[in-house]
Amino acid sequence: DSGVTQTPKHLITATGQRVTLRCSPRSGDLSVYWYQQSLDQGLQFLIQYYNGEERAKGNILERFSAQQFPDLHSELNLSSLELGDSALYFCASSVALGHGTGSLTYNEQFFGPGTRLTVL
Amino acid sequence: ELKVEQNPLFLSMQEGKNYTIYCNYSTTSDRLYWYRQDPGKSLESLFVLLSNGAVKQEGRLMASLDTKARLSTLHITAAVHDLSATYFCAVDISRQLTFGSGTQLTVLP
Repeated sequence: DSGVTQTPKHLITATGQRVTLRCSPRSGDLSVYWYQQSLDQGLQFLIQYYNGEERAKGNILERFSAQQFPDLHSELNLSSLELGDSALYFCASSVALGHGTGSLTYNEQFFGPGTRLTVL
Repeated sequence: ELKVEQNPLFLSMQEGKNYTIYCNYSTTSDRLYWYRQDPGKSLESLFVLLSNGAVKQEGRLMASLDTKARLSTLHITAAVHDLSATYFCAVDISRQLTFGSGTQLTVLP
């Protein structure tokens, strides 16, 4: 158990709908990352938040958005869902942003159990 | 654009045998991570490699990093069935991780 929690575990919905996935990071972690894992695209980075602020964006569609709240939990909102959005969505957390390139800084990320989204 | 290539993508091996999984990447980085994923499960952190020449070992798994060659290896010694899983390498560029496609390892009795 990594200490990262995600809800719900499974989500089944229809095309055109909107869903919200929730993530709580490990105690003390300020950074939250969202990933999408699908058979054809592999594991793709979507977006990162650090202490409530967006820090980096990856291959995130405009229909998707996220936020991190003052208690550090994060939500990923997926709207106008399409069949191709069916995937496993992971949240990960890490201690810090990882400034600079000092030899002791690194960005080991701890992954939650994931939310399996099925769009019918 | 950073490319991270793992090979092989699929590996079927007999128990007791040794094998190596390779992870090549296209941009300079001195931080690389290995993760394990069981079917339908989350990713579990295995190794953190932080510099050129870094070598880490845990049980039957040993990971190394050659930043000059932009290559990391995950060596499996005397494989056992419990090692069956998908293994991912992830390259750290400016604290963002880019994952390889994964190597699906099946250890046969």
